[in-house]
Amino acid sequence: AQSVTQLGSHVSVSEGALVLLRCNYSSSVPPYLFWYVQYPNQGLQLLLKYTSAATLVKGINGFEAEFKKSETSFHLTKPSAHMSDAAEYFCAVTRNTGNQFYFGTGTSLTVIP
Amino acid sequence: GAGVSQSPSNKVTEKGKDVELRCDPISGHTALYWYRQSLGQGLEFLIYFQGNSAPDKSGLPSDRFSAERTGGSVSTLTIQRTQQEDSAVYLCASSSRSGPTGELFFGEGSRLTVL
Repeated sequence: AQSVTQLGSHVSVSEGALVLLRCNYSSSVPPYLFWYVQYPNQGLQLLLKYTSAATLVKGINGFEAEFKKSETSFHLTKPSAHMSDAAEYFCAVTRNTGNQFYFGTGTSLTVIP
Repeated sequence: GAGVSQSPSNKVTEKGKDVELRCDPISGHTALYWYRQSLGQGLEFLIYFQGNSAPDKSGLPSDRFSAERTGGSVSTLTIQRTQQEDSAVYLCASSSRSGPTGELFFGEGSRLTVL
């Protein structure tokens, strides 16, 4: 079975500080992993995805995530938070033979000026 | 269209009534998903359509929920005899590819409130 766990439903950072959003996955087969972002009153949009190529994945808006098999993690980071980064972030997993995307419960990011 | 379109954006209904939620996927996208997003919960998978294949209905929570996709394009999610626990945001997503490497494009959702 596939699942993801996002530690911390709410994260607050100061503007300019490091953003770290945690995601751990459970998968019996090599996973494909995703981060999606949801801005207020908008649909989710893809930030980045890992599909078994490079373990360090760069996405839009300066975000990146590193796939660590030994830790079953796919944490999302950004060196310097911007006010516009305030949103809900979802980690998702699927497998190479599946069609279902399993989403985490989300992490709400607040950026403090 | 330019993106995934969902209607209505907001729906308030009384317990026991039936509701229909509509999704217009991006033109040419063969895969279509319905998810439910409840407060404090992740996205709960409901149903998946891919081309002319039989839909994956494994996520539908009860037989009050059904969905169809006509002509491989527009999809309608129907909830019969609505209950208060059905209150949630229903999200539709489409993709140009089946399988895990296809990016999901989401609509803005239909917020359902059951009184």
